[in-house]
Amino acid sequence: ETGVTQSPTHLIKTRGQQVTLRCSSQSGHNTVSWYQQALGQGPQFIFQYYREEENGRGNFPPRFSGLQFPNYSSELNVNALELDDSALYLCASSPSDRGVLPLHFGNGTRLTVT
Amino acid sequence: SQQGEEDPQALSIQEGENATMNCSYKTSINNLQWYRQNSGRGLVHLILIRSNEREKHSGRLRVTLDTSKKSSSLLITASRAADTASYFCATRETGANNLFFGTGTRLTVIP
Repeated sequence: ETGVTQSPTHLIKTRGQQVTLRCSSQSGHNTVSWYQQALGQGPQFIFQYYREEENGRGNFPPRFSGLQFPNYSSELNVNALELDDSALYLCASSPSDRGVLPLHFGNGTRLTVT
Repeated sequence: SQQGEEDPQALSIQEGENATMNCSYKTSINNLQWYRQNSGRGLVHLILIRSNEREKHSGRLRVTLDTSKKSSSLLITASRAADTASYFCATRETGANNLFFGTGTRLTVIP
């Protein structure tokens, strides 16, 4: 089975720009979650999508938005980039939206904002 | 904010020794999970323990959960250099769909 894949692997943007990160979920998984991991920290929950609907959101401003497509792949969009948005962005998929099963993570997108 | 705190923040041991990491959390949970992360890469799920379980084993891993103390421990026995990584606990709060991750323990196993 194909695992979770994320693109691009690395990205450099300028403050104020917009960015789109992409994630293909593992085959058979209908739930996708996005996490932000700052250097030396644990991942922080951004939001979760289940069957194309957002069904959970962490403490992130509205300029962080997302989409899930009918094939369960997903995008994370960040507008008006700030220096503090520099981090590793992780996508994770699961066959359940209830948090009762393990998450399967991609290798992340390293975003640098200058 | 993060739900859990791991202790110690960093641990360095010799190959063959056992490594113990602890995790404390703050609220009522449905389950607790441990993940491993090699430098700069994605997290890999290791083990899940439900709130009504007290101990679970998987190969060289042993996890305990004490819901009265809101704490968990991960024991890696007979460590190998390949175990060098960061280890995170993650909790699913009762009523929530997402996981809250701790701050992680950086384990270094010296060959």
